[in-house]
Amino acid sequence: AQTVTQSQPEMSVQEAETVTLSCTYDTSESDYYLFWYKQPPSRQMILVIRQEAYKQQNATENRFSVNFQKAAKSFSLKISDSQLGDAAMYFCAYEGSNYQLIWGAGTKLIIKP
Amino acid sequence: GAVVSQHPSWVICKSGTSVKIECRSLDFQATTMFWYRQFPKQSLMLMATSNEGSKATYEQGVEKDKFLINHASLTLSTLTVTSAHPEDSSFYICSARDGGRQTGTEAFFGQGTRLTVV
Repeated sequence: AQTVTQSQPEMSVQEAETVTLSCTYDTSESDYYLFWYKQPPSRQMILVIRQEAYKQQNATENRFSVNFQKAAKSFSLKISDSQLGDAAMYFCAYEGSNYQLIWGAGTKLIIKP
Repeated sequence: GAVVSQHPSWVICKSGTSVKIECRSLDFQATTMFWYRQFPKQSLMLMATSNEGSKATYEQGVEKDKFLINHASLTLSTLTVTSAHPEDSSFYICSARDGGRQTGTEAFFGQGTRLTVV
């Protein structure tokens, strides 16, 4: 069975600085997708970034980028130029052949003004 | 992006009564919808996968007779919590994908429903 692990329950970063959130996963599948979702205090889940496992190039969306290490089964999220609006819970998620999302425990990101 | 509307946003009900939560895909057809439960400060727990026109697939440990799921159309799935008890109090979230079973596409989420059973 697939598992997703986020080992950082909480992270804090100064506004305008860079922070990296960690995520590791375990799977025997070779083709899958990885996601980072953001859940702000409103609790609305918002897609931050998506990575296809067969693509070696790391996904980037504006200030958000990932470091995808397939062999190490690692999928970290880097947030550059952190903004107050980035404060939220961040969840790493895995999707394999059964199209269900497997979720990590989440990391609470605090932005210090 | 696509919109999934979940209603109500919050509901308080008396113990022993039933509560229905609706999840609608507003601008796309969702062959498959997912229902999650989220406890405070925890991750999402998949309760069931709802397929249009067929019975829902429940995850292990989820009581199908307590959490009734109906997916009667391509744009509507409902979750009914029957004979609710205080331990059913939680945050319930639905999600759907545009195009149904296509993997790797973005899952769109409803706003969630906070259920409080008193």
